[in-house]
Amino acid sequence: GQQVMQIPQYQHVQEGEDFTTYCNSSTTLSNIQWYKQRPGGHPVFLIQLVKSGEVKKQKRLTFQFGEAKKNSSLHITATQTTDVGTYFCAGSFSGGYNKLIFGAGTRLAVHP
Amino acid sequence: EAGVTQSPTHLIKTRGQQATLRCSPISGHTSVYWYQQALGLGLQFLLWYDEGEERNRGNFPPRFSGRQFPNYSSELNVNALELEDSALYLCASSLRGAGKNIQYFGAGTRLSVL
Repeated sequence: GQQVMQIPQYQHVQEGEDFTTYCNSSTTLSNIQWYKQRPGGHPVFLIQLVKSGEVKKQKRLTFQFGEAKKNSSLHITATQTTDVGTYFCAGSFSGGYNKLIFGAGTRLAVHP
Repeated sequence: EAGVTQSPTHLIKTRGQQATLRCSPISGHTSVYWYQQALGLGLQFLLWYDEGEERNRGNFPPRFSGRQFPNYSSELNVNALELEDSALYLCASSLRGAGKNIQYFGAGTRLSVL
């Protein structure tokens, strides 16, 4: 079935270190989206990637979509305590109603 | 523009009771999604409604049901509540179509089953 695998499950970093979370799908995605959920909050949309090999940046965050449109990554440079939260990827599968499937999320803890 | 609104914010029930959770989508959004998020865990997909019809259902027992009304608002019903149903229930809405299915989440309903 359609699944989106996300690793790692948890990541603890010292403030200033870099962080990366990865998403993989066994089938080609029409697009991939990334969301962030702060502790005690709800998921908030960050970005959508559509094109093969696409790279987008938001300040210290870099998002990549693989050439085969089956994987994606989110990289945070020089983490800050404000980056704490859970990052979810969500893959959209073509056909039907463009079903969106969320990965399990990566929980990021940043130690000052 | 108002975001996705959910009510109630908190709900306390006892085992065996029924719970009803409500969601109002962003104006113009026809798709509504329900997720269960147990404490510290990921998003477990429950139900997806679009244009009043159920489009997809997650791996949950039949006592989890819902509906979407003509104004696209939605209701989630949980019958015969069990202790493990205690969780944050999140509703999200989106437009429909390729590249348009970005989900906007409400603040959630915290359900506690005692």
